[in-house]
Amino acid sequence: QVQLVQSGAEVKKPGASVKVSCKASGYTFPSYGVTWVRQAPGQGLEWMGWISAHNGNTNYAQKLQGRVTLTTDTSSNTAYMELRSLRSDDTAVYYCARDRYSSGGGDSWGQGTLVAVSS
Amino acid sequence: QSALTQPRSVSGSPGQSVTISCTGTGSDVGGYDYVSWYQQQPGKAPKLMIYDVSKRPSGVPDRFSGSKSGNTASLTISGLQAEDEADYYCCSYAGTYTYLFGAGTKVTVL
Repeated sequence: QVQLVQSGAEVKKPGASVKVSCKASGYTFPSYGVTWVRQAPGQGLEWMGWISAHNGNTNYAQKLQGRVTLTTDTSSNTAYMELRSLRSDDTAVYYCARDRYSSGGGDSWGQGTLVAVSS
Repeated sequence: QSALTQPRSVSGSPGQSVTISCTGTGSDVGGYDYVSWYQQQPGKAPKLMIYDVSKRPSGVPDRFSGSKSGNTASLTISGLQAEDEADYYCCSYAGTYTYLFGAGTKVTVL
């Protein structure tokens, strides 16, 4: 069955960077894109960006342009999200999702990774 | 870009129908037939319920249906069940390969 397993929770200081991984299994990884979505505590979902696992093409939310980088490693079926210059309002649960239907989110989701930014 | 507008909460009794609206603009909801809906239970990852305005992924009950008119999309849950109590988010393509989520609606089963 399709499964996306994300890396563990992180605590970072303001100004630092974080890199979250998302290991996919149960399907042909290059066949679908991967979307990243985040959710601040008690808040709604925010679309961050999308990457093609086939050719690495990316699209980013304008708000995060320049601070976020999405990559994939097809040898290990893993997608990565790196966010730089962290601020307190980046504290959130970060999700990856397989984007089978180009729906903005995905049909299969990771379990989420909490990134807490605090001095 | 601001989040799409959804009611903060809706409620209904078991067996009733509830409808959640999602209002955007001609640059997102009204401009494309790429609206999706997600269900999120507390502490869980979202689950895709509807894509392309009205299509259901395999495994989603046909009690869930989607539609769109102008700049407003809607999700209707017919025959409401206790397990449907959750937060629901709409999502729309917003041009230039970007997407926008709604602010979310809490559905309460009375």
